[in-house]
This record gives sequence, structure tokens and C-alpha cells, in this order.
Amino acid sequence: DQQVKQNSPSLSVQEGRISILNCDYTNSMFDYFLWYKKYPAEGPTFLISISSIKDKNEDGRFTVFLNKSAKHLSLHIVPSQPGDSAVYFCAASVRNAGNMLTFGGGTRLMVKP
Amino acid sequence: DAGVIQSPRHEVTEMGQEVTLRCKPISGHDYLFWYRQTMMRGLELLIYFNNNVPIDDSGMPEDRFSAKMPNASFSTLKIQPSEPRDSAVYFCASSSRGAQYFGPGTRLLVL
Repeated sequence: DQQVKQNSPSLSVQEGRISILNCDYTNSMFDYFLWYKKYPAEGPTFLISISSIKDKNEDGRFTVFLNKSAKHLSLHIVPSQPGDSAVYFCAASVRNAGNMLTFGGGTRLMVKP
Repeated sequence: DAGVIQSPRHEVTEMGQEVTLRCKPISGHDYLFWYRQTMMRGLELLIYFNNNVPIDDSGMPEDRFSAKMPNASFSTLKIQPSEPRDSAVYFCASSSRGAQYFGPGTRLLVL
């Protein structure tokens, strides 16, 4: 039973355009959501997070949107750069339940120059 | 801060041998997590510790896997005996509240 799903295994975007990565979850108890970026041969790197009391959080070129009623979150990268090419994982947790994260399967983003 | 440190970065061993993976979490973090990543199953949580105490080991595949955290700055994940299906990348992560910070991983190949 996958509680966090990333339905697009890959996404290709032109440099300078917007990249939109999507994530769906099923567990309504999740109240904290994160995005990680992973390059080959490296560990996942924390990018940005959002609490369920918010619907948007922005950090530079990265913005995460949360739609609780739809159990959906998305990561927007604008403008996209070739260095953003990586695998992106969304993750979710219940904050008062031990800090465990449940990860999606990842989306490979390719930003073409 | 040096971040989460894992060793070795690569390990090649033969089936039946004991394998020990090591992790040094970020100083001050009270949670430590061990994950395994494979093509088939993605990123799986194996076990996690809070204040050096194992909290949830339900992700540990079988009795061949064991993990310890003797102090706040060191943890090990041991596989004995190893099998080819254990070949994967093993990550350690640590956190205080909120985001987990991952080490670079140990790539294990069991022949």
C-alpha cells in the first residue's frame, strides 16, 4: 500500500521554463511534507518543506503547494536550470509520531539546455 | 558541519560474509534512520533510533539484519550472512525535528 505516490517517473523541461512535479498521498494523518533532490551516487538532499497549516511555501526558485482536500502537493521550479536535473522525491510524515518519513517513488527531472 | 558520514562508500563482498556499515550522524540530532534503496522497491526505511534507542525496526528484512547505536555519534548496520539480494545502496539519515539529512550512502554488492 503506497501512501505517497509520484505518478510521473520522468519529466523533461526546457531550460528557463517551469518544472512542476506532483505527488499524491492517501494518509490524512500526514501533516508535514518535504521534497528532496537526489543526484546519482549521492544521498537525497533536503529542498523544501511545508506544514499542513499552510498551502504554499516558497524558497527562491522552489515553491511547494499543498492541497489538503485533494491530498496533493506539487513542487514548482522556476526558472528551471540544467543543474536541476536529478531525481526528486516527495515525502510525508506525522509530526508527533516519531519523525518517520514515507517517501514517494521519485520523478526524474531532465532540464534541457 | 560535516553532515552525515557513512563508511565505507563502496563494499563488494561474497555471499555468506558479514558486512558492517557505519554511520556518524550530525551532532545534536537525536533521530537516526537507516534506509535501503533498490530499483525495485525504491527508498525503504529499515530501522530508526531516537536518543540511541531503536524505535521501529519493522522494515528490517529478516534476522540477518541488525542495527545498533551504542552512542549518540555512531551507528552500525550489520548483515550476517550476506546474500546477493542484499545488494543495494544503504543510506543513513539523521534529524532533530523536521527534515532528515542523508549521508552519501554505501553501495553494497554481494557476489
